[in-house]
Amino acid sequence: QKEVEQNSGPLSVPEGAIASLNCTYSDRGSQSFFWYRQYSGKSPELIMSIYSNGDKEDGRFTAQLNKASQYVSLLIRDSQPSDSATYLCAVRLYNQGGKLIFGQGTELSVKP
Amino acid sequence: DAGVTQSPTHLIKTRGQQVTLRCSPKSGHDTVSWYQQALGQGPQFIFQYYEEEERQRGNFPDRFSGHQFPNYSSELNVNALLLGDSALYLCASSLTGSSGTGRETQYFGPGTRLLVL
Repeated sequence: QKEVEQNSGPLSVPEGAIASLNCTYSDRGSQSFFWYRQYSGKSPELIMSIYSNGDKEDGRFTAQLNKASQYVSLLIRDSQPSDSATYLCAVRLYNQGGKLIFGQGTELSVKP
Repeated sequence: DAGVTQSPTHLIKTRGQQVTLRCSPKSGHDTVSWYQQALGQGPQFIFQYYEEEERQRGNFPDRFSGHQFPNYSSELNVNALLLGDSALYLCASSLTGSSGTGRETQYFGPGTRLLVL
């Protein structure tokens, strides 16, 4: 079982729709959770971080964390073609220093 | 405020050669982490440097080594290059400071794309 798993994608949504990206993790000692966006040929760019159960909203983005289910998700409202990218879920374990464990990423395509 | 910078941007080497990649962290950051990202995969943690020492290491062979300088910049060295070392090498900087809460956010540089022939 992979430590962090994401829907392999690609995920295609029409412009203006809600895109839902999911991530599960295997270690219950996971403490911090991050979503990064990576455009083709570029480096990852931080979108959201979340540490406690529940929802965290930032503009069109909402991160949701459920530690009991070992599940974290990212919702993108009013999706735009510029949101087309690969979205990486990353997890940090408790007492594991700075190491981030990444999923393989989900490719999102927003069609005009 | 300068972000994370890396050099070079691209590099082509042949098998068996050695390579050095460089990273300057974001202003005010004291910790540098290195990741390897193969095509179509998520980044894999190589190691992290803090206070000029390797604080944590991932599952990479000893051919991968690093260094952090007093100004917090860092180098990644890879010896005896293999074809499988071809990847995007990412440097991420963060601030550990004195508290080390474990919630430090890592910001990535543009990466160095290494091709081994």
